[in-house]
Amino acid sequence: KAGVTQTPRYLIKTRGQQVTLSCSPISGHRSVSWYQQTPGQGLQFLFEYFSETQRNKGNFPGRFSGRQFSNSRSEMNVSTLELGDSALYLCASSLGPFPGSPQHFGDGTRLSIL
Amino acid sequence: AQKVTQAQTEISVVEKEDVTLDCVYETRDTTYYLFWYKQPPSGELVFLIRRNSFDEQNEISGRYSWNFQKSTSSFNFTITASQVVDSAVYFCALSEGIDSGGSNYKLTFGKGTLLTVNP
Repeated sequence: KAGVTQTPRYLIKTRGQQVTLSCSPISGHRSVSWYQQTPGQGLQFLFEYFSETQRNKGNFPGRFSGRQFSNSRSEMNVSTLELGDSALYLCASSLGPFPGSPQHFGDGTRLSIL
Repeated sequence: AQKVTQAQTEISVVEKEDVTLDCVYETRDTTYYLFWYKQPPSGELVFLIRRNSFDEQNEISGRYSWNFQKSTSSFNFTITASQVVDSAVYFCALSEGIDSGGSNYKLTFGKGTLLTVNP
């Protein structure tokens, strides 16, 4: 069974640009959550999608958005990139909504802002 | 005050030693969940355990065990007979604000404990 796939693995952008990250969950999983990890702030919850609906959102500005498609694949978008957005972005999928089901994580997308 | 405190920033042990990772949390909610995750050097997070606030039973899974004590607001994690493959950063997390629909939760991670197991 394929695991959670995040693409791309690495990304370099410049300030002011926008970026879209993709997450393909494990087949059959309907919940996808996104996390940001930085050396300064640590691990922070971004948002969760379940059955194409945003179920919950962490404390991030509106520049961070996401969506989930009917096949449960999810994308997150960051607009007007800032240097502080440099981070490892992790995606997790689970059968049911958080926190009811164990989460399975992808390898992450490392985003660097120049 | 931090919601989730992992006071041990780094721990270094020799293989086969037992090691306990501490996690102290703070919440006023009666319904909440606690988690442990492992992040090996490769970077991906691995979910280890979830415990809800109504279940204070300790859990053992192979060499891993967890001690949940509401009286001291702690959820400690013990690795017995540590192995080099246990080397990783371990995160404790708290999910609170669980309403009836379960969708307005607030999820907070601790800063993590870097465990190094030396051969």
